[in-house]
Amino acid sequence: DAGVIQSPRHEVTEMGQEVTLRCKPISGHNSLFWYRQTMMRGLELLIYFNNNVPIDDSGMPEDRFSAKMPNASFSTLKIQPSEPRDSAVYFCASSFAGEVFFGSGTQLSVL
Amino acid sequence: ELKVEQNPLFLSMQEGKNYTIYCNYSTTSDRLYWYRQDPGKSLESLFVLLSNGAVKQEGRLMASLDTKARLSTLHITAAVHDLSATYFCAVNPSNQAGTALIFGKGTTLSVSS
Repeated sequence: DAGVIQSPRHEVTEMGQEVTLRCKPISGHNSLFWYRQTMMRGLELLIYFNNNVPIDDSGMPEDRFSAKMPNASFSTLKIQPSEPRDSAVYFCASSFAGEVFFGSGTQLSVL
Repeated sequence: ELKVEQNPLFLSMQEGKNYTIYCNYSTTSDRLYWYRQDPGKSLESLFVLLSNGAVKQEGRLMASLDTKARLSTLHITAAVHDLSATYFCAVNPSNQAGTALIFGKGTTLSVSS
């Protein structure tokens, strides 16, 4: 298996633009997580899904952030409009039977 | 609110010596995870500890879990340069597979000769 696949690997955008991050979980995994990593705040859980259903989105910082999982093999995290303080590495992870695997992350820079 | 605290946050190690990283958490949980992250890279799973008294070893790393004390340790035997990285512990607060992990702030290890 190719593991958790995220795209793009790097994204540079200007403040106010819409940003969409994508994730393909490991086939057969029924849980998907979005985390954000910054130096100041460490790894923060944004939202997670079980069987494509959002379970806990209390970590989503503002209404500017939204996430969807239309099917078992795809999820998106959208920021609209983006702001410089959204600059971070965004990780997607998937799990099955308790083991959690992380994607390579998307390095987002909002100028 | 669940807190996961690691200490130390930074550890400068000498090659060949032994060290221990501590992970304390504030809620009952039988699921504790250790990850390694190299600079600019993703998180690599090292250990999953699923019960009180669990001990797992891989090479120079050994992890243990004491759920009564809400404490996990990561012991490093005879440190080598390749172990330089940031190590995170994470707790599953609901004790169920398929629920999210809460991470500590990480311990950055630097090994010098």
